[in-house]
Amino acid sequence: AQSVSQHNHHVILSEAASLELGCNYSYGGTVNLFWYVQYPGQHLQLLLKYFSGDPLVKGIKGFEAEFIKSKFSFNLRKPSVQWSDTAEYFCAVGSSASKIIFGSGTRLSIRP
Amino acid sequence: EAQVTQNPRYLITVTGKKLTVTCSQNMNHEYMSWYRQDPGLGLRQIYYSMNVEVTDKGDVPEGYKVSRKEKRNFPLILESPSPNQTSLYFCASSSRQNNSPLHFGNGTRLTVT
Repeated sequence: AQSVSQHNHHVILSEAASLELGCNYSYGGTVNLFWYVQYPGQHLQLLLKYFSGDPLVKGIKGFEAEFIKSKFSFNLRKPSVQWSDTAEYFCAVGSSASKIIFGSGTRLSIRP
Repeated sequence: EAQVTQNPRYLITVTGKKLTVTCSQNMNHEYMSWYRQDPGLGLRQIYYSMNVEVTDKGDVPEGYKVSRKEKRNFPLILESPSPNQTSLYFCASSSRQNNSPLHFGNGTRLTVT
């Protein structure tokens, strides 16, 4: 069955700490991979996406993610977080717009 | 400005009273979809539409209806709301190109008492 797992439900970090949020998926065929961010009280926004080519993808606000096919993973990273990164982060996997599956989300809290 | 507009943002209603949540996009997107977001469950797809007059069930369609009479609009209808439909609802759209990301509306927080 197709699925997306985000094992960290809530991550708490201090400012300037490094961040890595895990995402593993189970999906047959060609996959498109996404990370979305939802700031408090707002809608989901695209952070970055991977379709093909370089497995290290750079997104907005200093975020990056690495697609490791052998591990079925697409972990999100940021070298130094800021208080404004406090949000919920969703990994998503799909082959087309109608077949996108979202993970359960990881809530990130940053201590000032 | 390209956007997906949902109304209302907040809605409190009682069990059994029919309601409609509207969704409109101005990007000429073919694909539109409704999701509900619940704590610990992420986003689950309710219904989606690949184009005008073409709709299909997502993962949790029970208790919901949709229609797609025009390309820009994709209303979500709850004929007889129940408390288990209390949730945060998002409408999303994208073009039909395979690599297109979803554009989300601002959400509708629905409470059914």
